[in-house]
Amino acid sequence: RKEVEQDPGPFNVPEGATVAFNCTYSNSASQSFFWYRQDCRKEPKLLMSVYSSGNEDGRFTAQLNRASQYISLLIRDSKLSDSATYLCAVSISGGYNKLIFGAGTRLAVHP
Amino acid sequence: EPEVTQTPSHQVTQMGQEVILRCVPISNHLYFYWYRQILGQKVEFLVSFYNNEISEKSEIFDDQFSVERPDGSNFTLKIRSTKLEDSAMYFCASSVSIAGQGASATNEKLFFGSGTQLSVL
Repeated sequence: RKEVEQDPGPFNVPEGATVAFNCTYSNSASQSFFWYRQDCRKEPKLLMSVYSSGNEDGRFTAQLNRASQYISLLIRDSKLSDSATYLCAVSISGGYNKLIFGAGTRLAVHP
Repeated sequence: EPEVTQTPSHQVTQMGQEVILRCVPISNHLYFYWYRQILGQKVEFLVSFYNNEISEKSEIFDDQFSVERPDGSNFTLKIRSTKLEDSAMYFCASSVSIAGQGASATNEKLFFGSGTQLSVL
């Protein structure tokens, strides 16, 4: 089983749509969780950290379910500029911030 | 906003040659990392570095790889004898601290440089 798994997509959605991505992780010692955004051939950029209580940043909402070992990202009112690959990343307790990335989920927002 | 800078943006080399990829982490950060991403694949951890020594490394980071912080600002990745399969985008990253040190969640966040595309011919 992969350490961090994501549906590769692509998710093709119209502008204004709501879209949700899930990510599962296998190591129960995972302690920190993140969503990154990566544009083609660019560096990952931190979108948001994910907390047990859930957190929201504008149109983006992230949730963590420790019992089921998955995290989610919800994007409301999709914009064309949201088109990118969304990477889930986890770090393990006791590690030096070593991030394990998923392979990413591609999102394409069309007019 | 402070950022991690990497040079060069592109590096082409012949198989068997040595390459050095350079990074300048954010100035108040203490933890430094190298990741790589082969085209079409996921971002993979190579090594983390703290207090002038390697704190963790992956299976990819074999004897052909080394890292150094030669001065107070640069952080380098050296590949001694490049192979075709070393062709990838190499990302440097840095963070203020790490999780579990009682620091805020903000301080453990990794910030990535824009990467060096290494092509081994």
